[in-house]
Amino acid sequence: GESVGLHLPTLSVQEGDNSIINCAYSNSASDYFIWYKQESGKGPQFIIDIRSNMDKRQGQRVTVLLNKTVKHLSLQIAATQPGDSAVYFCAEGKNRDDKIIFGKGTRLHILP
Amino acid sequence: EAGVVQSPRYKIIEKKQPVAFWCNPISGHNTLYWYLQNLGQGPELLIRYENEEAVDDSQLPKDRFSAERLKGVDSTLKIQPAELGDSAVYLCASSPSGPGYNEQFFGPGTRLTVL
Repeated sequence: GESVGLHLPTLSVQEGDNSIINCAYSNSASDYFIWYKQESGKGPQFIIDIRSNMDKRQGQRVTVLLNKTVKHLSLQIAATQPGDSAVYFCAEGKNRDDKIIFGKGTRLHILP
Repeated sequence: EAGVVQSPRYKIIEKKQPVAFWCNPISGHNTLYWYLQNLGQGPELLIRYENEEAVDDSQLPKDRFSAERLKGVDSTLKIQPAELGDSAVYLCASSPSGPGYNEQFFGPGTRLTVL
């Protein structure tokens, strides 16, 4: 029911430590995967994406890993900062259209 | 460069009343999306436009929801009549057109509360 959706999984990380946020995706035929960051009162913001023919991609302070064997995606944030506090969503899509499907979110909480 | 603009940011109405949300996409973006986001969940697509054509409205509850993008730029999403279960955040996004994957840029959303 609706109350289940209110209880987002939460990851609490000490400031300065690395964060790892995980996502299980559903469609083995998806062509690309995206991580979004959503701060309170704002829309989702693109962080990084990865094509299905890759298993790792690095950005600024972030790394996305893709394991197609177990349909698992992870987002690693290096040296977590207070500004990283947000809800993180993974999403998947196919090349033939611009439709993306969002997964469940994870709230990242930064401990001082 | 201005991002996706949405208004109003917040709306409180009583059930059975109509409500409308407005979105202005990023200049030059031909593709426009309306999403619904319930509390604690990811956005769910309601409708996607390519210019003025609705190319995917399969998830739009057409008995009470309607949308338009008459000139292929800004768009309006309407609910009439609103129900209690429509309380959510309505997000608009836009992306450039082209084959395959194009990054979507989201607006701040309109938070609707139906009493």
